[in-house]
Amino acid sequence: TQLLEQSPQFLSIQEGENLTVYCNSSSVFSSLQWYRQEPGEGPVLLVTVVTGGEVKKLKRLTFQFGDARKDSSLHITAAQPGDTGLYLCAGRADRGSTLGRLYFGRGTQLTVWP
Amino acid sequence: DAGITQSPRYKITETGRQVTLMCHQTWSHSYMFWYRQDLGHGLRLIYYSAAADITDKGEVPDGYVVSRSKTENFPLTLESATRSQTSVYFCASSVGWGSNTEAFFGQGTRLTVV
Repeated sequence: TQLLEQSPQFLSIQEGENLTVYCNSSSVFSSLQWYRQEPGEGPVLLVTVVTGGEVKKLKRLTFQFGDARKDSSLHITAAQPGDTGLYLCAGRADRGSTLGRLYFGRGTQLTVWP
Repeated sequence: DAGITQSPRYKITETGRQVTLMCHQTWSHSYMFWYRQDLGHGLRLIYYSAAADITDKGEVPDGYVVSRSKTENFPLTLESATRSQTSVYFCASSVGWGSNTEAFFGQGTRLTVV
């Protein structure tokens, strides 16, 4: 059972287009992180959102944490070929025996064509 | 060099053999983690360690053994490798377990069990 569902799994778009990646769960998280992974490398943290409803912007990337802290979205404006990569969301467990543990979604493979 | 390094980067082994994957970090981070990354599953936690001599199971610990005698090293051993353990293994470290904590990943070890 996957705790975090990411969609879409694959996204192939032209340079200049906008896109949104979704990360959904039925569980509450104390925080939600987005990582980006390039081929042959480990994931690298892009952002952490902690408060329900929080919105963070990183240049052309906008991250939002749902009000109930169960879901998140990543929106990229005017995508560029350099945005190509695997985007992973990760939720930090809020309670119980797994408190603090990081759970990853399956990832969204984004390809941006020139 | 500072950071987190994994060795080897690539390994091919035969079914039934014991194999050890190495992980070394230079930040003196308290927490260290082992994940495996498989198509369709994303990153799944195998084992983690909160400090030297303290380890605990993650989501998929069966068939793996870890130790942490020194803060900077966290080796992962497959006692008797199986084909289902063919995967890309990532080691990670972090200063803590809190909501805003960033996990730093190594470059990964691609293990093939034949």
